Amino acid sequence: QQQVKQSPQSLIVQKGGISIINCAYENTAFDYFPWYQQFPGKGPALLIAIRPDVSEKKEGRFTISFNKSAKQFSLHIMDSQPGDSATYFCAAYIVLEYGNKLVFGAGTILRVKS
Amino acid sequence: GAVVSQHPSWVICKSGTSVKIECRSLDFQATTMFWYRQFPKQSLMLMATSNEGSKATYEQGVEKDKFLINHASLTLSTLTVTSAHPEDSSFYICSASVVIHRDIAYEQYFGPGTRLTVT
Repeated sequence: QQQVKQSPQSLIVQKGGISIINCAYENTAFDYFPWYQQFPGKGPALLIAIRPDVSEKKEGRFTISFNKSAKQFSLHIMDSQPGDSATYFCAAYIVLEYGNKLVFGAGTILRVKS
Repeated sequence: GAVVSQHPSWVICKSGTSVKIECRSLDFQATTMFWYRQFPKQSLMLMATSNEGSKATYEQGVEKDKFLINHASLTLSTLTVTSAHPEDSSFYICSASVVIHRDIAYEQYFGPGTRLTVT
């Protein structure tokens, strides 16, 4: 099952608040989990990524929490700012017979209100 | 570092014509390039994976004769949409990855995308 389920579809957070986006997967062959940020009309940009042998990774205001047993991972954006308003995609990396592949979640539209 | 460019950034073409989109890795050599398609307010859908000097591997449901991919060098891949129709209108995004060690192999660096409108 090459799917990554992402929620919520959209999120409104007050400036300074915490934004939380969740993702879940079934396939244990996924072994690398990046998060991407995309602004309208632009390509996605890598935010932060984590391996399944690590439970948490923090870079600045962005933190990934990873629960291997539950097959879930989440992105936390601390002190959310209006400039963080964008679409966020979780993804999972899998090595297949014919090559390697990133599978993307459906995306979360984040709006940070000032 | 790790900059990927696409050209053109947007293109309008008439139904039935072909259009070529270029993807370049500017400051690194990409062993693998990927082409994605994204419809408005939707996620990225992988169309095909290409390795330099070999044929592209297409995802299920992607017509290889319609979406021609060429990866002629370690810094350039092209996607040609042949006999384009209005339903091919979309945002096409390429990405590139390089194998240096295991960590780097997982990173895909994305281009800025190309907006294709077929009239």
